[in-house]
Amino acid sequence: DIQLTQSPSSLSATVGDRVTITCQASQDINNYLNWYQQKPGKAPKLLIYDASNLEAGVPSRFSGIGSGTGFTFSISSLQPDDVATYYCQQFESLPLTFGGGTKVEIK
Amino acid sequence: QVQLQESGPGLVKPSQTLSLTCIVSGGSVSRGSYYWTWVRHPAGKGLEWIGRIYTNGNTNYSPSLKSRLTISIDTSKNQFSLDLSSVTAADTAVYYCARIDYFYDTNSYTVAREAFDVWGQGTMVTVSS
Repeated sequence: DIQLTQSPSSLSATVGDRVTITCQASQDINNYLNWYQQKPGKAPKLLIYDASNLEAGVPSRFSGIGSGTGFTFSISSLQPDDVATYYCQQFESLPLTFGGGTKVEIK
Repeated sequence: QVQLQESGPGLVKPSQTLSLTCIVSGGSVSRGSYYWTWVRHPAGKGLEWIGRIYTNGNTNYSPSLKSRLTISIDTSKNQFSLDLSSVTAADTAVYYCARIDYFYDTNSYTVAREAFDVWGQGTMVTVSS
């Protein structure tokens, strides 16, 4: 199985800050990586697919970059509505796997 | 707008079978380019992929659950289901059904997209006597 290691596991930032989350894959997964946002009590929501493509309707303050084993997810200007847990997920091979999640809070 | 809705018991006894159904509306499970899938989320832990099924009935399962798992699809009812046998407390979780949007680029012979793009609201299942 491909392991995805996210860091940090949690962070606290001020509204307007740039927030960055990393996702490290245990082997080369090309750009076969997606990012999701999960708010408390809600289902996950797809934000970024294929490492860097913004899903339709998702605000442009969200972005992703990376290939191979290292990936980065960013929020350019943190908003109160962005409080959530963020997960990376790989689809290079089965079983599909998720990272451990990064909980984002507002200071 | 495709919508998914999980249904099933919220409480299952240990050693019994957990059975859930996902009812799909606003779209057809018979349409190609989509897998229909299950994901669970134990409290305090991360998301865990359970398995998926294609419209033709082909399945892929998580190796850790494969021996206890059956995912099926009913195109006449436009729904798909999960059966997980011999459950223990470790199977307690919120269970989500979801759609995987899948696109294979025949020009580059690569997967251009494979993402969980539509989700149900989730259903809490507790395993307890």
